[in-house]
Amino acid sequence: NAGVTQTPKFQVLKTGQSMTLQCAQDMNHNSMYWYRQDPGMGLRLIYYSASEGTTDKGEVPNGYNVSRLNKREFSLRLESAAPSQTSVYFCASSTPNQPQHFGDGTRLSIL
Amino acid sequence: AQSVAQPEDQVNVAEGNPLTVKCTYSVSGNPYLFWYVQYPNRGLQFLLKYITGDNLVKGSYGFEAEFNKSQTSFHLKKPSALVSDSALYFCAVSVDTGRRALTFGSGTRLQVQP
Repeated sequence: NAGVTQTPKFQVLKTGQSMTLQCAQDMNHNSMYWYRQDPGMGLRLIYYSASEGTTDKGEVPNGYNVSRLNKREFSLRLESAAPSQTSVYFCASSTPNQPQHFGDGTRLSIL
Repeated sequence: AQSVAQPEDQVNVAEGNPLTVKCTYSVSGNPYLFWYVQYPNRGLQFLLKYITGDNLVKGSYGFEAEFNKSQTSFHLKKPSALVSDSALYFCAVSVDTGRRALTFGSGTRLQVQP
């Protein structure tokens, strides 16, 4: 009954540090997504993967990279963290035209 | 480009009263519309969707939404609010072609008073 699992749940970084946010789903979904949530702005799409081996930029991709490692896993990497990237990050997965299933998020603070 | 507007940052309603959370959208193509709810420190949970068919859609926890194509709206409703309905609600839209990623509104906080 895991659904979408995100790790870590919390992280504090210093400006310039790098890190990778992990996401895994066990629902055999083809599509996976990374969003960031900021107060008063809803969720904004960072990157999207329609299937294993493909990725596409979303609304706010600058400063991020992604890897679709296999069908289950989709990671988000911050190469050089900036305070503007302080946010809550959500991973989601779905099949076409069906509701997306979300993880519980990673709360990231960059000092 | 597609967009979603939730004009109210917060909606306050007394327990037992009907509630409405408003949503309007703009897309090129046929819209797929969704409502999600978020509780503190949790991810988004799916409530209901409109893909095609009946304009009145029923979802989880007694919620429903009405798709109005002429007004490009998809308002969330519930006949009788519960204190436990207090949460953050998001409307989202995608289209039936291309990426199909969701575009979210800014969210509406629903506060149900006992």
